[in-house]
Amino acid sequence: AQSVTQPDIHITVSEGASLELRCNYSYGATPYLFWYVQSPGQGLQLLLKYFSGDTLVQGIKGFEAEFKRSQSSFNLRKPSVHWSDAAEYFCAVGRNTDKLIFGTGTRLQVFP
Amino acid sequence: GAGVSQSPSNKVTEKGKDVELRCDPISGHTALYWYRQRLGQGLEFLIYFQGNSAPDKSGLPSDRFSAERTGESVSTLTIQRTQQEDSAVYLCASSLDGRGYGYTFGSGTRLTVV
Repeated sequence: AQSVTQPDIHITVSEGASLELRCNYSYGATPYLFWYVQSPGQGLQLLLKYFSGDTLVQGIKGFEAEFKRSQSSFNLRKPSVHWSDAAEYFCAVGRNTDKLIFGTGTRLQVFP
Repeated sequence: GAGVSQSPSNKVTEKGKDVELRCDPISGHTALYWYRQRLGQGLEFLIYFQGNSAPDKSGLPSDRFSAERTGESVSTLTIQRTQQEDSAVYLCASSLDGRGYGYTFGSGTRLTVV
C-alpha cells in the first residue's frame, strides 16, 4: 500500500539550531517527492520537490531535502532555523498523474 | 486568477444540513483536487478531476459526499446531511496537466458542524 510516514508529530528547536524532519514512504515505484509547509490559517506552500537526478534538492527559505532510495526516505533539513519557520510541515509522494499522498505532518515550534 | 480561491473561508452548519463548498482553480490548470484535513491530522484525499476524464472518486468517505466540476473551471464539493465528524478544513488544489509538478493549494474552507 502507498503511504507516507512522518514519525515526529511535534518538534521543538531553538532559533539558530539545525533542523531535520523525517519522512519515510512506501510506494510501488520511485515516486515524486514533495515537502509542503502550512502556516496557521494558510494554505499549503510547496517548499521543494524531487523528480529525478541529484538526490539533494534545494528549496525555498533555505530548506533542502535528500532522497535516499535504500532507506525510502526524503528528510527535510535546514542548517539554521528562524522563528518564522514555525509551522506544520507535510511530506507527500505521488507520480505523474497520481494524486499526492500526504503524511500526517510535523509541527515545528521554534524558541527564541 | 492568480491563485486557488475557496469559498466560504468558514462555514458553521447544523447537523443534518447540506453544505456546498466552492473552489476556483488557477486559470489553465486542468487538474483539480479536494482534500480533507481533520484537526491534528494529515491531508486525506477525497476526489480528483483531470480535464474531461472521469473523476477519481476513490477518496470520498460516503455517498453523502459528491463533487462536480464544470469543464476546467469551478468545482463544488457538496456534503449532504452533515455529521459532526465532517468538521474539518477542506482544501482544494489545482495543478497544470495533473502531473506531480506540485499543486497550488487554496486557503481552505473550515467547516464546523454543530
